[in-house]
Amino acid sequence: AQKITQTQPGMFVQEKEAVTLDCTYDTSDQSYGLFWYKQPSSGEMIFLIYQGSYDEQNATEGRYSLNFQKARKSANLVISASQLGDSAMYFCAMRERYDYKLSFGAGTTVTVRA
Amino acid sequence: NAGVTQTPKFQVLKTGQSMTLQCAQDMNHNSMYWYRQDPGMGLRLIYYSASEGTTDKGEVPNGYNVSRLNKREFSLRLESAAPSQTSVYFCASSEEGASDTQYFGPGTRLTVL
Repeated sequence: AQKITQTQPGMFVQEKEAVTLDCTYDTSDQSYGLFWYKQPSSGEMIFLIYQGSYDEQNATEGRYSLNFQKARKSANLVISASQLGDSAMYFCAMRERYDYKLSFGAGTTVTVRA
Repeated sequence: NAGVTQTPKFQVLKTGQSMTLQCAQDMNHNSMYWYRQDPGMGLRLIYYSASEGTTDKGEVPNGYNVSRLNKREFSLRLESAAPSQTSVYFCASSEEGASDTQYFGPGTRLTVL
């Protein structure tokens, strides 16, 4: 079964606007971590933000914030004040407590328009 | 601070050839990983090494072998390459906990003809 679902294959956003990327996950574990990575066209995987399942506050890192709704098993990434350099593929990933691997979603392509 | 480095960046092989992908990290992490990324998909774990001296299979280990040479280095070997192994290969490292971020190398783009 798919553990991470990203339903938006591609999105367009105007420069300086905010964009929300959806991510839902499936796990029966109580302890897990949720991660977002950015993959620009150059191909590298860049870590953006982390949310632990027991964290009560939503994670924030600069212009990135994670809207964590545990009961809905949702971990949406919000990018505020979009910049042209934000154009990339974005992956949501989960690591369960006793598993070493990250389970990745299929990704969402974001294109920022000037 | 280099982080995670991988060599080579690009490689073209013929079916049946062998090769080793090299990975090194300078973050003193205990755990290291090999993932592959196929078009339109997220990454899938091939093998991992929780600590020096140990290796374990991930989701898609068939056709691959690994060696954890020391704490810094983790190599991936394709003994007899197949076209289905055409992919982008990423090495990553982290501390051991579920909350610990995995940091990725730049990737190796491999084509098997």
